[in-house]
Amino acid sequence: KNEVEQSPQNLTAQEGEFITINCSYSVGISALHWLQQHPGGGIVSLFMLSSGKKKHGRLIATINIQEKHSSLHITASHPRDSAVYICAVNADKLIFGTGTRLQVFP
Amino acid sequence: DAGITQSPRHKVTETGTPVTLRCHQTENHRYMYWYRQDPGHGLRLIHYSYGVKDTDKGEVSDGYSVSRSKTEDFLLTLESATSSQTSVYFCAIMQPPGASGYTFGSGTRLTVV
Repeated sequence: KNEVEQSPQNLTAQEGEFITINCSYSVGISALHWLQQHPGGGIVSLFMLSSGKKKHGRLIATINIQEKHSSLHITASHPRDSAVYICAVNADKLIFGTGTRLQVFP
Repeated sequence: DAGITQSPRHKVTETGTPVTLRCHQTENHRYMYWYRQDPGHGLRLIHYSYGVKDTDKGEVSDGYSVSRSKTEDFLLTLESATSSQTSVYFCAIMQPPGASGYTFGSGTRLTVV
């Protein structure tokens, strides 16, 4: 079993929909990261969080340390949000999930 | 990100040849990392460096070596490339505590034929 599990693996949505991507982990961590990777592109750091909630524009990330769970929400989704979203945790090393592929259609 | 560049962006090489990938940063950060990204796997750490001439192995280091003779450059070498090393390689730097975490390069797509 992977130490970092993301769900769903693939997600399609219509423009304007509210999106939730989940990340569960099984190790002790000091921080959790959400990353974005566009097709053929590099990896961009969206959030780093160790407790509570962070918001940046239409993106919201939450973490529940007790439940070892984090969610990434996208409000009013747009086709330009189409990308792979990757969860990673700082344990004794940085451990990555396999990503959630999001496609948002007009 | 403007602070970290990888070269080359794409490379095709033959089995058995040596290959060196370069990661260059302009931000003077101590920690630098090399990852590979393959379908069905999360990014996996190959090697990392915590300063000039200080490097250590990651989880998939077999067949790879690294060097860091200057703070700004972290080189990844495949001594004798194999088809299993066909992958996308990412370099990353760790931001100072309190910043946003990690900054990744744009990646190098390596194909070993």
